[in-house]
Amino acid sequence: GAGVSQSPSNKVTEKGKDVELRCDPISGHTALYWYRQRLGQGLEFLIYFQGNSAPDKSGLPSDRFSAERTGESVSTLTIQRTQQEDSAVYLCASSYGQGLSPLHFGNGTRLTVT
Amino acid sequence: GIQVEQSPPDLILQEGANSTLRCNFSDSVNNLQWFHQNPWGQLINLFYIPSGTKQNGRLSATTVATERYSLLYISSSQTTDSGVYFCAVFSGLGGGADGLTFGKGTHLIIQP
Repeated sequence: GAGVSQSPSNKVTEKGKDVELRCDPISGHTALYWYRQRLGQGLEFLIYFQGNSAPDKSGLPSDRFSAERTGESVSTLTIQRTQQEDSAVYLCASSYGQGLSPLHFGNGTRLTVT
Repeated sequence: GIQVEQSPPDLILQEGANSTLRCNFSDSVNNLQWFHQNPWGQLINLFYIPSGTKQNGRLSATTVATERYSLLYISSSQTTDSGVYFCAVFSGLGGGADGLTFGKGTHLIIQP
């Protein structure tokens, strides 16, 4: 597609439920990033993929968070047993890799845990 | 890891004014990018500018890599320029996120 696509755009879930957030990067982009942004705050790095591998998982806040990428394309961020503090906007971005090309963001998924 | 500091943290201006946003970084970088996050949360890449000067309409950016700073200029501000401006640097030094580090942003409000 023309841009980075994320779905769903909004997700409301009950505490304790699992959620899956999807990111479709720009075609051909090998690097894919997930960030979390709480209301009024900056960007919190979660995980980075180069191709299908994740050389850097250092930002995942707990073992309830996991992510995978298949076919050097779609990525899924999964949050298990959601907590209220997981409420935030989850942003996905992609680039041609290695930080040597412009980074493009999707519109994000707004997650609300009740 | 590399430190990225943006200033000012907040800026309120009247429509038509000019502004300069600054991004300082603590170590050598391979590239630098500026982003605008509008009030609806969309993040738009404004400039990919490892060095030198680029212009796009009323916006321009200059990066002086040897002195470890970049400036974003907004001329004749419009209310649609409101939002948060982030800079991000790529150092290629690892340390997380493939060496990509974001500043905390400058929150700009343009009043009519």
